[in-house]
This record gives sequence, C-alpha cells and structure tokens, in this order.
Amino acid sequence: EVQLVESGGGLVQPGRSLRLSCAASGFTFDNYAMHWVRQAPGKGLEWVSTINWNSGSIGYAASVKGRFTISRDNAKNSLFLQMNSLTTEDTALYYCAKDMGNPAFNAFHIWGQGTMVTVSS
Amino acid sequence: QSALTQPASMSGSPGQSITISCTGTSSDIEIYNLVSWFQQHPGKVPKLMIYEGTKRPSGVSNRFSGSTSDNTASLTISGLQPEDEADYYCCSYATGRNFVFGGGTKVTV
Repeated sequence: EVQLVESGGGLVQPGRSLRLSCAASGFTFDNYAMHWVRQAPGKGLEWVSTINWNSGSIGYAASVKGRFTISRDNAKNSLFLQMNSLTTEDTALYYCAKDMGNPAFNAFHIWGQGTMVTVSS
Repeated sequence: QSALTQPASMSGSPGQSITISCTGTSSDIEIYNLVSWFQQHPGKVPKLMIYEGTKRPSGVSNRFSGSTSDNTASLTISGLQPEDEADYYCCSYATGRNFVFGGGTKVTV
C-alpha cells in the first residue's frame, strides 16, 4: 500500500525556520516526482513546491521562492521541505504528494495526511 | 502565477448532473494537457478524481468525467449522490515547472 507520512510541523515564531519531512513507502520512490501542497485554515489548496525524481528539476510557488527549499533522499525514501523566514501567511496544513507519473510532472496522485504548521508570536 | 477561476458554489438534486468549469490562461490549461481535479470532504485529504484532463484513476466512479477546450477545463458529475457533496478543485501544470490551483467549488447536493 502506498503511504506518505509527514512530520515536523508545529508552532513557530515569525522569522524562524522549520523542516518538514515526508516518509514514503509502498512504491519505488525514485521513480516519481514529489510535491508539497498546503492549505491554510478554511482556505483552498495552494501548490508549494515540486521536485523531479533525481532532484534535477525543481519548482516553487512565487509565495515561497527564496525562502523554502525542497529536497529528497532517494536512499531513505524521504522528501523534505526546509522553510525559512516564516511568516503568519505560511500557517497551513502541509501535504506531501506523490506524482501520478508519465510525464514527469503530472498530477498529485497520492496524498499524506498532512502536518500542521502554525506561525505565531 | 494567477489562480485558475472556478465558481465558488454549485448545487444540484440527487440524480441530476452538474458541470464545474475551470478557466485558465495560455500559460497553463491552453498549452498543457495536464489538468487534474480533486474532491475534498470536510476535514479530509484531497482525492484525485481526474488527471490529464479526462482520465480517471483506478477506483474513481465513472460518474465523474473531465474535458478541456482551449483555456477551460470542466468536471461533470453525473447522477449526483449525497456523498458527492464536497469541495472540488481544479489544478493545471503551468509554464516554468509550476502548478496552479483553482479557488475551489463547493458542491451541495
């Protein structure tokens, strides 16, 4: 069974950093692009970042570019999101998602349960 | 990257059909056949319903169908059922290794 489990969320002060992790299992991790998608409380879905299978192609939403860094460790079946200079606008439930595949960037097929990030003083 | 445009809400009676529109631009829907649709029930994880504009993942009811034309994608739900009441989001791959979501449509049955 394909499974994605996020961790690393929590309460953090504005301007501080946080690193999210996503542990993947049940599929060949290094065959697929991976994504982070977030949802602020009571709001819609917002794409955050995408990384292809070998980390050679990466994209960021304008709202996080320069502050967030996506990475992956294929040997450990893990996806990461380093979040720096956090603001209250970054408060959201952060989902890790596996791409459908073929082409490399396609659709967010399988989602984790999410990890909540709250930025507040 | 601007968000895709969806109606905020739609409603229908059980058994009826509804079609949700999703309007994009020449940087997303119009040039990439990579539109996807998600269903999200309150407090639940989004579920992929349609990908590549028209394809259904395994396990998704054939009451859900997708189409695209120029810069607009559509999701049709046929034979509405009470369990179809949820929020629906469209999404498209966009120029520059980006993705963009619509604002979401609340469907009431």
